[in-house]
Amino acid sequence: DGGITQSPKYLFRKEGQNVTLSCEQNLNHDAMYWYRQDPGQGLRLIYYSQIVNDFQKGDIAEGYSVSREKKESFPLTVTSAQKNPTAFYLCASSTRALVESPLHFGNGTRLTVT
Amino acid sequence: DQQVKQNSPSLSVQEGRISILNCDYTNSMFDYFLWYKKYPAEGPTFLISISSIKDKNEDGRFTVFLNKSAKHLSLHIVPSQPGDSAVYFCAASRTNKLVFGAGTILRVKS
Repeated sequence: DGGITQSPKYLFRKEGQNVTLSCEQNLNHDAMYWYRQDPGQGLRLIYYSQIVNDFQKGDIAEGYSVSREKKESFPLTVTSAQKNPTAFYLCASSTRALVESPLHFGNGTRLTVT
Repeated sequence: DQQVKQNSPSLSVQEGRISILNCDYTNSMFDYFLWYKKYPAEGPTFLISISSIKDKNEDGRFTVFLNKSAKHLSLHIVPSQPGDSAVYFCAASRTNKLVFGAGTILRVKS
């Protein structure tokens, strides 16, 4: 059964610690994305990757880093430089990095930093 | 600067009636529009889309209308069903980057 797996579902960290959110897909999609959702706001793009070993900054990349060493995996690291890391994080993939290819989303990771 | 706005945070509709969800955008360069639906504790799922060269696209109970001169799109659900209760996001695209609205919570009462 193909899909996108994000783990863990809930994550708690102390301020000043880096934390990595996992995203794995078995849809054989080329493009992968990370979005952040905050209350009262739409999803905002953090990073995206069109192919392995390549990625681009989205609209709110500061304080985040990613890697794309494998087609199936696109982990997101929230660094201590991110001023407001507490949020709901969504990973997505699509067959191509074209908007006409609808995004398939994972179920998200809720990160709480105290 | 919110380029895509969903001004109604929530909407309540009786089962069997029409649900109309609205979305306004400010950037005339947007050329593709999509609606996504999200249930609690799940990721959004794609619902329906429309290109800027069209003014209407229909898929079963779901129809999206685009009014380019007003920079407005709407999603019509007819007839509404309790299972349609979810958060609906509209999204607009420019150069293959999506901009999402904040979402509208739809509640369909049985």
